[in-house]
Amino acid sequence: DAKTTQPPSMDCAEGRAANLPCNHSTISGNEYVYWYRQIHSQGPQYIIHGLKNNETNEMASLIITEDRKSSTLILPHATLRDTAVYYCIVRGRTTDSWGKLQFGAGTQVVVTP
Amino acid sequence: NAGVTQTPKFRILKIGQSMTLQCTQDMNHNYMYWYRQDPGMGLKLIYYSVGAGITDKGEVPNGYNVSRSTTEDFPLRLELAAPSQTSVYFCASSYGTGPGDQYFGPGTRLLVL
Repeated sequence: DAKTTQPPSMDCAEGRAANLPCNHSTISGNEYVYWYRQIHSQGPQYIIHGLKNNETNEMASLIITEDRKSSTLILPHATLRDTAVYYCIVRGRTTDSWGKLQFGAGTQVVVTP
Repeated sequence: NAGVTQTPKFRILKIGQSMTLQCTQDMNHNYMYWYRQDPGMGLKLIYYSVGAGITDKGEVPNGYNVSRSTTEDFPLRLELAAPSQTSVYFCASSYGTGPGDQYFGPGTRLLVL
């Protein structure tokens, strides 16, 4: 699976949109981009995933560049409860790699009042 | 649904002792996983299972054993505990028919002294 690069930390004001970047320049055509987050001391929580089209759900939006070498997770209206470590993960869809999520260090997001 | 449950929540072991971390899911997921997370680090995959009776090693399997006799349960066995196994252990499960998202349990905090 391709590796990802994320900034170690970022701050965001409550009520504003939080834009979290992720670089995955070695991504291959059959690999998906996944985002998880981990609130302190809890298990990771799935947020969203996509292949090449932009995706939106009730939690966030995922914007993937046309060349698929980078993506941005958007939290539209950040709240204090969104303070967490956010992980960008690239994962293949072969049987051997379906489940194996490779977590990096992630981005520590702090939402301030 | 209770989702993924883990017991115990916290345990202190002496060096050389053994224990089993329990994990149960009630979502009828085929895939189950064990991760460990050391302080300030991302998660590392220990073992995973694609169905009852089938298990395979992840990134850091040494010192651990698993079994999968039912769809619901995926216990992790620590033999001869060592201080290097002090960590937080997360169990997760997912659908097995595509690049689905993983659901994580609340974690077991283990301290080996």
